[in-house]
Amino acid sequence: SQTIHQWPATLVQPVGSPLSLECTVEGTSNPNLYWYRQAAGRGLQLLFYSVGIGQISSEVPQNLSASRPQDRQFILSSKKLLLSDSGFYLCAWSRSVSNTEAFFGQGTRLTVV
Amino acid sequence: SQQGEEDPQALSIQEGENATMNCSYKTSINNLQWYRQNSGRGLVHLILIRSNEREKHSGRLRVTLDTSKKSSSLLITASRAADTASYFCATVFNDMRFGAGTRLTVKP
Repeated sequence: SQTIHQWPATLVQPVGSPLSLECTVEGTSNPNLYWYRQAAGRGLQLLFYSVGIGQISSEVPQNLSASRPQDRQFILSSKKLLLSDSGFYLCAWSRSVSNTEAFFGQGTRLTVV
Repeated sequence: SQQGEEDPQALSIQEGENATMNCSYKTSINNLQWYRQNSGRGLVHLILIRSNEREKHSGRLRVTLDTSKKSSSLLITASRAADTASYFCATVFNDMRFGAGTRLTVKP
C-alpha cells in the first residue's frame, strides 16, 4: 500500500533561518507531488507542483523553493525565513494518470518567530 | 492562487439534518474533488466527479457538477457530530487547486 511521510510535525524557527521540509512517498512510482500552505482558518495555497524528477512548477514567487532529488522525495526549502512564512505546510501525492485522488501527509506547522 | 470558492464559509446544523456546501470555480477542469479536514490534520479525499459527470453518490454524500455554471455542490445527508470538519473542493486540470473551504459544525 502507498504511504506518505511528512516531517517534522511542528517547527519553530527564527526569522532569517533556513528551512527544509521533507516529504517522501512509498509504494508507488512516478507520483505527482504537491506542496501547499494553509494559513489559519483558510484554504490551501498551491506552492509547488511536480510531475517528475527535476520538473517543478512554482505558483508563488517568494523566498521558498522546492526540489525533487528522487522520484518519491519532495523537499521544500528556504534560505531565509520571513514571519509571513508561518503556516501549515502540506505535502500531497497523486498518481500520474488522470482522474485520481490525492493523498495528503499530516502536515508541518511552521511558526517563524 | 486558489481556484474554487466555497459557500457558505461556515455552516452550523443539528445532528440528523442535511448539510449542503457549494463550490464555484473559474477555469476548465478535468475533474472536481471534495476533501475533508479535521482541525490541524491533513486532508482526506471524499469523492471525485469527472467533468463529464453530473451527479455522484457515495454513502451519505451526494455531489453534483454543473460545468456550464462552473459550480458543484456537496450534500451530506443525516449528518452526525463526527461530520464536524472543514470541507474543501479542489479543481483539477493539470495541477490541483483548492478553495477556501466550508467549516461545518454538527451539534449533537
